[in-house]
Amino acid sequence: QVQLVQSGSELKKPGASVKVSCKASGYTFTSYAMNWVRQAPGQGLEWMGWINTNTGNPTYAQGFTGRFVFSLDTSVSTAYLQISSLKAEDTAVYYCAGGTIAVAGYDAFDIWGQGTMVTVSS
Amino acid sequence: VIWMTQSPSLLSASTGDRVTISCRMSQGISSYLAWYQQKPGKAPELLIYAASTLQSGVPSRFSGSGSGTDFTLTISCLQSEDFATYYCQQYYSFPRTFGQGTKVEIK
Repeated sequence: QVQLVQSGSELKKPGASVKVSCKASGYTFTSYAMNWVRQAPGQGLEWMGWINTNTGNPTYAQGFTGRFVFSLDTSVSTAYLQISSLKAEDTAVYYCAGGTIAVAGYDAFDIWGQGTMVTVSS
Repeated sequence: VIWMTQSPSLLSASTGDRVTISCRMSQGISSYLAWYQQKPGKAPELLIYAASTLQSGVPSRFSGSGSGTDFTLTISCLQSEDFATYYCQQYYSFPRTFGQGTKVEIK
């Protein structure tokens, strides 16, 4: 079935880096964009940006430039989110999400990874 | 940036109630609006897209309406499994934006 499976929880110290993976299955990976969404503890959903799975071109939302990098390995149908110079305020659940019902680039997110909890603490 | 105002932030209701959640946009988005349900510790799930199209597998007690700037999610007869947090999201333009969320709790 169509699914996104993310890597497990991470506990990191401030200043470290983390790389979260999101493996797609059940559909052609390069057919649909991949989005990343952040949810801080007790807070709402925040769209971080997206990556074109055909070209590898990323687009970042305001507030997610510089330390955040989206990348792909299409050979294994996997998207990655890397965060460098981690801060306590990066503590959150990070989701990958895709829209397999997209029409002409308009995509509601019908598939979601299970989320990866990243905790930044000394 | 398209700003979204979702209301109410908290809704107390009983099983069997009809509930409505509103989402208002700062500018028109045609019908490019989705509604998601999120339960504690779980990823969001798509309920409705294109403002009123029910996602496959979603019970028919959920419905969506609206276009342009004003949208509504209605749950016609609240069930125990519907107590959760609901988010609207516009996908008309970048950046994609979510509403602040509505927590539906047991009255």
